[in-house]
Amino acid sequence: EPEVTQTPSHQVTQMGQEVILRCVPISNHLYFYWYRQILGQKVEFLVSFYNNEISEKSEIFDDQFSVERPDGSNFTLKIRSTKLEDSAMYFCASSDYTGELFFGEGSRLTVL
Amino acid sequence: AQKVTQAQTEISVVEKEDVTLDCVYETRDTTYYLFWYKQPPSGELVFLIRRNSFDEQNEISGRYSWNFQKSTSSFNFTITASQVVDSAVYFCALRFRMNRDDKIIFGKGTRLHILP
Repeated sequence: EPEVTQTPSHQVTQMGQEVILRCVPISNHLYFYWYRQILGQKVEFLVSFYNNEISEKSEIFDDQFSVERPDGSNFTLKIRSTKLEDSAMYFCASSDYTGELFFGEGSRLTVL
Repeated sequence: AQKVTQAQTEISVVEKEDVTLDCVYETRDTTYYLFWYKQPPSGELVFLIRRNSFDEQNEISGRYSWNFQKSTSSFNFTITASQVVDSAVYFCALRFRMNRDDKIIFGKGTRLHILP
């Protein structure tokens, strides 16, 4: 069964460092998303991406964040200068036009 | 405004009891999708069901059933004969697309404890 894969599964970083979280969406999907979940809280939308550009982003997705689809298969989330409050589980998701959304297993980011 | 409300923060039931998780949504769109996801203690999000706004048929899958009622903007989820493995956080989500906006928003989740 096709799946969304994310790497790394866990990353620990120092405050102020740059982090890149990687995602490989399902190959024929067109829509890509990043979500985050601070421990014990709800899943929050960060950004959606379609046709090689951001289609929607939340207020959380400030200038520290960027997304890219560099090679047609990977979908990356970059945090330029991490803060303590960026510690969370980050989920990548993809979907086709039918609306079913597939999530990766998440990347846990710990900022020290 | 687009919104998903899961009023039940936490529910505990004894194994084999039935339990219903409530989800109420708000949207101004006529075309939208509703989802339920399960998040077990391991943390991943497990897809359970998707419903589009034009399909109000209720669905049953094994011990799981879903009741979609547009009149009350609700999409409730029932587990019959609950089992300890059902213990998890359950999220209801709404996907809407308007112009170039494409977003899925989640409710705050309901933490379900199934007691042996």
